[in-house]
Amino acid sequence: AQSVTQLGSHVSVSEGALVLLRCNYSSSVPPYLFWYVQYPNQGLQLLLKYTTGATLVKGINGFEAEFKKSETSFHLTKPSAHMSDAAEYFCAVSPSGTYKYIFGTGTRLKVLA
Amino acid sequence: GAGVSQTPSNKVTEKGKYVELRCDPISGHTALYWYRQSLGQGPEFLIYFQGTGAADDSGLPNDRFFAVRPEGSVSTLKIQRTERGDSAVYLCASSPPGSTEQYFGPGTRLTVT
Repeated sequence: AQSVTQLGSHVSVSEGALVLLRCNYSSSVPPYLFWYVQYPNQGLQLLLKYTTGATLVKGINGFEAEFKKSETSFHLTKPSAHMSDAAEYFCAVSPSGTYKYIFGTGTRLKVLA
Repeated sequence: GAGVSQTPSNKVTEKGKYVELRCDPISGHTALYWYRQSLGQGPEFLIYFQGTGAADDSGLPNDRFFAVRPEGSVSTLKIQRTERGDSAVYLCASSPPGSTEQYFGPGTRLTVT
């Protein structure tokens, strides 16, 4: 069965520091990959997605992610954290040929002043 | 334009009661999805509609859960004989034709006492 693993349920970074949130998936066929952000009491908002083509994907709010097929990874990065980045982040895959998403368990990002 | 809306935003019910949760997708979106997000977990797929028909209901946990979308727009998730384990946030998402990108609503928080 397809699965998504997000290492680290909680990550803390200092304001201005690099943000790195990890996501690995299990799939025999490269899926579509997504990162969503969830602010308190709000719905999931799409940050970025990979479907085909360029493996480095840029999203909103300065985030980007790189699809590495050999490592089955899709880690999310941002060069410099802002206080407003504090939220929960979910990695999701859409297995090839299906439309349903399989989500990871999420990583709560805390940004320290 | 208007996003995906869900009503009610909060629902408290007693064990054994019947509940209905409503989702109003973005206008023109043909695909509609329901997910369930338990505390500390990522969303879990429940059911996917393409138009009026359920294209994939493999995520419904048991026969107490049912969903309809009679006119291909608004959808209702129905839960019979609610149990305390049904307490979660129920998320709805929709997609435009030909897209795998899902737009999520704010969710309905269901509490079964």
